[in-house]
Amino acid sequence: SQTIHQWPATLVQPVGSPLSLECTVEGTSNPNLYWYRQAAGRGLQLLFYSVGIGQISSEVPQNLSASRPQDRQFILSSKKLLLSDSGFYLCAWSVTSAEQYFGPGTRLTVT
Amino acid sequence: GENVEQHPSTLSVQEGDSAVIKCTYSDSASNYFPWYKQELGKGPQLIIDIRSNVGEKKDQRIAVTLNKTAKHFSLHITETQPEDSAVYFCAASTMGRRALTFGSGTRLQVQP
Repeated sequence: SQTIHQWPATLVQPVGSPLSLECTVEGTSNPNLYWYRQAAGRGLQLLFYSVGIGQISSEVPQNLSASRPQDRQFILSSKKLLLSDSGFYLCAWSVTSAEQYFGPGTRLTVT
Repeated sequence: GENVEQHPSTLSVQEGDSAVIKCTYSDSASNYFPWYKQELGKGPQLIIDIRSNVGEKKDQRIAVTLNKTAKHFSLHITETQPEDSAVYFCAASTMGRRALTFGSGTRLQVQP
């Protein structure tokens, strides 16, 4: 069966510091991978998606970037965090263009 | 682009009662409508979905209905239990596109 991992689970970072969040998927090959952000009490906003290694599409221009160095690894990065980057970051995978399955999330607090 | 509106934002029911959450979408090309359940501090879990070629789908106590003409779809939970308490999100997308557009969520509280 497929499993999706995210780490770290929680992170507190100062403004201006760099960020690296990692997502890995097990049990499937060539998945579509997604990064979403969820602000407190809000819905989910798609940030990036990837259909293959090195292929990244950005949905929203912002202070963040994404990379996919391996088939089942997706990384979310920032060079300098802003207060507004705080939120719950969720990675998801799919093997079709329909059902998406989410990881456990990373709670990021920028102070 | 697609816009999904979800109501109500909060819903409190007594254990054993039914709960209904409603969503409307704007893009008539949307043809896939999933529902997710999110417990506190966890990622959303896909609980049921429906495609535009079907008007209703049921899975035990959960059902989803779709009205393509009116562009709205609903989640129905019968015989609610305390463990149904969570935030529920609807979403819409066009199969073949990558993005799911989510509603703003409904916090369901089932009172024992």
